[in-house]
Parts: sequence; structure tokens; C-alpha cells
Amino acid sequence: DTGVSQDPRHKITKRGQNVTFRCDPISEHNRLYWYRQTLGQGPEFLTYFQNEAQLEKSRLLSDRFSAERPKGSFSTLEIQRTEQGDSAMYLCASSFLGGGSYEQYFGPGTRLTVT
Amino acid sequence: AQSVTQLGSHVSVSEGALVLLRCNYSSSVPPYLFWYVQYPNQGLQLLLKYTTGATLVKGINGFEAEFKKSETSFHLTKPSAHMSDAAEYFCAVSDPTGGFKTIFGAGTRLFVKA
Repeated sequence: DTGVSQDPRHKITKRGQNVTFRCDPISEHNRLYWYRQTLGQGPEFLTYFQNEAQLEKSRLLSDRFSAERPKGSFSTLEIQRTEQGDSAMYLCASSFLGGGSYEQYFGPGTRLTVT
Repeated sequence: AQSVTQLGSHVSVSEGALVLLRCNYSSSVPPYLFWYVQYPNQGLQLLLKYTTGATLVKGINGFEAEFKKSETSFHLTKPSAHMSDAAEYFCAVSDPTGGFKTIFGAGTRLFVKA
């Protein structure tokens, strides 16, 4: 068990460019969550998957954002036509539904800076 | 809908002093409650959780929290602060009937003075 990993750890992009982040959850975990954290705030829920199915999306997730988990393992979060307001830490977490523990294990995050 | 309020964005204590970080929640269903800690440029690490059963829960690094339904509170305490406790702490509530989507408070930054 190597924990949740995210790639890249840092991304600097120019406004208008597209970016994609990857999250690799703990291998046996069937749920995967994406959160966004801005400076001085707690993480805000964006979306979550159970296996490959995307079960809920926050209103924060505009149509420029899309997330996938094609084989129920890793997930990607893409932001199209980035804006300066997208600058934030993007956190991924995973959990195992049915294991009785319920807690989410977080990755180190991807820090996005849009210039 | 669920929400979390953390009272005090910054708390400063002396090394060896009691740590008390306050958290109040709102939930229409029996909540699952969590405290996470975040060190700079890192992800969140779970300190402790309450799901059901005993209302006083113990976590890692000497922290504990008590679920008080009547007060809708889940305050985090530690009897004696260490310098290594300096970090950002987040209280969170999760709806077990709603996919365990987790709602976080705004966080409390703990400073520990030597």
C-alpha cells in the first residue's frame, strides 16, 4: 500500500490552456473523490466516483471541468481553457465502501497556478 | 445540507499547554465526523473519526475529540502541545447516506510557542 498518489505535484500554466491531473488511489479502494482547496480555505468537494461511475458532481464543477475514471482505477481531472480563478490545490482522496472504516485517504495534491 | 463551522481561524498555545480547537456542525442525518491535519504543501492526514458508538474518540498523536449531539459539536483537544503539532486542522462532516461526500470547515491554524 503506497497511498494515494497525484501527478504532477505542481503545474504552472497560462490562462486559456488546458491541463490534466492524474490520481492513483489506493489499489483496493472503490471510491475516489476530487476536492479543490484555495488558500486559507478547507477543501471543497468537486466530484466522486464509485468504481468507474461518476455519481455526483458539485455545482463548482463548471463545464470546463471533466473527470474520468475509465477502468475504476486511476482518475483524471481535466480543466479546459483555464482561468486565473482555477488556481488552487486539487486534492484526490480514495476510500473503500463496505470496509467499515469510511475515512478518505488523501493524496499530496496538485498545485495549479494559472498566470 | 451539511455544514461545518470552526471557531477561530488561528489558535496560539505555548508548548505543554492544552490544545482546544472548536468545531460545530450542522447535519440533517446522523453525521460521521472527522478531524484532519495538514502540514504545508501536503495532503490531509486523518487524526480521528466518529461514526457511531462511544462519543469520546481517541486519535493519533495524543489527540481526542468528543461528539456532543446536544451541542452539535466535535471539539478537538490535546492535553499538552508539542512544537510538531503546529499545522492546519480541519473538521469535517460526512453524510453516510449521501456517498460520504465530505464537507470541510475553513480550518484552524495552530501555532505552538516555545
